[in-house]
Amino acid sequence: QIQLVQSGPEVKKPGESVKISCKASGYTFTQAGMQWLKQAQGKSLKWMGWINTNTGKTTYAADFTGRFVFSLETSASTAYLQITNLKNEDMATYFCARDYFDYWGQGVMVTVSS
Amino acid sequence: DIVLTQAPLSVSVTPGESASISCRSSKSLLSSKGITSLYWYLQRPGKSPQLLIYQMSNLASGVPDRFSSSGSETDFTLKISKVETEDVGVYYCGHRLEYPPTFGAGTKLELK
Repeated sequence: QIQLVQSGPEVKKPGESVKISCKASGYTFTQAGMQWLKQAQGKSLKWMGWINTNTGKTTYAADFTGRFVFSLETSASTAYLQITNLKNEDMATYFCARDYFDYWGQGVMVTVSS
Repeated sequence: DIVLTQAPLSVSVTPGESASISCRSSKSLLSSKGITSLYWYLQRPGKSPQLLIYQMSNLASGVPDRFSSSGSETDFTLKISKVETEDVGVYYCGHRLEYPPTFGAGTKLELK
């Protein structure tokens, strides 16, 4: 069955970096892009962008340029989200979702606290 | 960006009764290919969102037929008949017509 399994919760200080993984199984990784979304506590979903798992081409939403990087390790069927220079407003749960939002990872809670 | 406005923000339903959730778009979600790009998701407490409905009216795999959706180019309704305990959570509408995909604020469904 199709699964997206994300890495565990993270606790970071402002200014640090975090790298979240999303491992896909149950389908051919390169045949569906990977979306990334942010959900602050008690808030709705915000689309961050997506990565074409076949070409590596990335598309970022306007609010997620500069400090946010999507990458791949195709041999491991894994997509990554890296956030650098963490700020308090980055504290949220981050989801990966398959191209058509039909399968989602379980989410990674990132806590940013000094 | 396309704004999706959901109503109500919360609804309390007696098990076995029906519930309806509205989603209004600031722009037509009808694509040039004739597909209405409106999706519904359920996020159960502490879980990730689950796709319920795609392209306005199509049930996603494994979703019970108690769920149905209809609408026009800008106004949409999700109906849940015979509400069960497992239906508790936050319902989001979303679109994929253009970048960026956006989501409504969510409607919280609780049981009476």
